Amino acid sequence: RKEVEQDPGPFNVPEGATVAFNCTYSNSASQSFFWYRQDCRKEPKLLMSVYSSGNEDGRFTAQLNRASQYISLLIRDSKLSDSATYLCVVNNGGGGNKLTFGTGTQLKVEL
Amino acid sequence: DAGITQSPRHKVTETGTPVTLRCHQTENHRYMYWYRQDPGHGLRLIHYSYGVKDTDKGEVSDGYSVSRSKTEDFLLTLESATSSQTSVYFCAISEGTEAFFGQGTRLTVV
Repeated sequence: RKEVEQDPGPFNVPEGATVAFNCTYSNSASQSFFWYRQDCRKEPKLLMSVYSSGNEDGRFTAQLNRASQYISLLIRDSKLSDSATYLCVVNNGGGGNKLTFGTGTQLKVEL
Repeated sequence: DAGITQSPRHKVTETGTPVTLRCHQTENHRYMYWYRQDPGHGLRLIHYSYGVKDTDKGEVSDGYSVSRSKTEDFLLTLESATSSQTSVYFCAISEGTEAFFGQGTRLTVV
């Protein structure tokens, strides 16, 4: 089983739609969690951190469920510019502060 | 944007030749990482560093070595390049939680 698992998609949605991505992780000792965005042939960029209490940044909402080892990202009112691959990332802490990446979920927002 | 520079950005090399990729940061972050990204595999950790001269292996370290002689530079060396090492290589830096990435190096081994 992979440490971090995501549905690869692609998710094809119309502009204005609400879309949700899910991610599960296997290490119950994982300490921090993130969503990154990656555009084609570019480097991953931090979208938002994920907290147990849930957090929101504009049209984006992230949730963490430690008991189920599950992370989600909700995008409301999708824009064409949201088209990208969304990476779920888990930091297992420890001496190396290692980040483990899911393989990503591809989102295509269409007119 | 975080001050991370990777060089070269693109390289084509022949099988069996040594190759060194450089990552340079201006943020004074403690942790530095090398990842490779391949279709179907996502980002996989090759090696990482938690301080000057302190490095350790990631999940796909075979065929790679690293060095960090000063805080700002983290070098990745392919001692004898193979076609399976054709990939996009990303350097990242962190001060303990999230990481910031360089623009990537596209390496082709022919």
